[in-house]
Amino acid sequence: DVKVTQSSRYLVKRTGEKVFLECVQDMDHENMFWYRQDPGLGLRLIYFSYDVKMKEKGDIPEGYSVSREKKERFSLILESASTNQTSMYLCASSLYARAPIHTEAFFGQGTRLTVV
Amino acid sequence: DQQVKQNSPSLSVQEGRISILNCDYTNSMFDYFLWYKKYPAEGPTFLISISSIKDKNEDGRFTVFLNKSAKHLSLHIVPSQPGDSAVYFCAAPAGDKYIFGTGTRLKVLA
Repeated sequence: DVKVTQSSRYLVKRTGEKVFLECVQDMDHENMFWYRQDPGLGLRLIYFSYDVKMKEKGDIPEGYSVSREKKERFSLILESASTNQTSMYLCASSLYARAPIHTEAFFGQGTRLTVV
Repeated sequence: DQQVKQNSPSLSVQEGRISILNCDYTNSMFDYFLWYKKYPAEGPTFLISISSIKDKNEDGRFTVFLNKSAKHLSLHIVPSQPGDSAVYFCAAPAGDKYIFGTGTRLKVLA
């Protein structure tokens, strides 16, 4: 079974802190993703990576950065946490997304981040 | 610009009846669709998928229908069970990423 593991289930951080969210997958997947989930807004893509050291902005990258130094690990960094970054953060990985081969994305358990 | 839309934020269904969750898309280049189920405080789990070369895919109680001309897909759950109560997301791969709808919260009443 594919396993995507996020380092924390719950985090509480102060405004202005630098926050690191870590994600590890164990299936040698090419693609990794960071989403955030907010009520009424669904899953919004923050950043994704299709290879080591490669990253692409998603729909809402402002205030975030990412790092992928190893294939299995994808980190999300909140440079200076703000209250509007309080959310559920979801990491995912997939073997392929691009046609002609499609596979599903597998998600971690999520990190509920509260910024106070 | 939402390319994948779920226009019903919530749905309540009696146990044993059929649940129908709908999803519309705008990009005719999408050729594969997925449904995910999400419980509170957990990550989404993959449920079922469909390729655009098919109009139906079935897996146990779950069936997904695709109407390409209408750019519409639906997920049918028959019979619905209380454990099906969750948020359901439809999604489509676009290049190297996945685009998700906003989700529909299904509540199955015992």
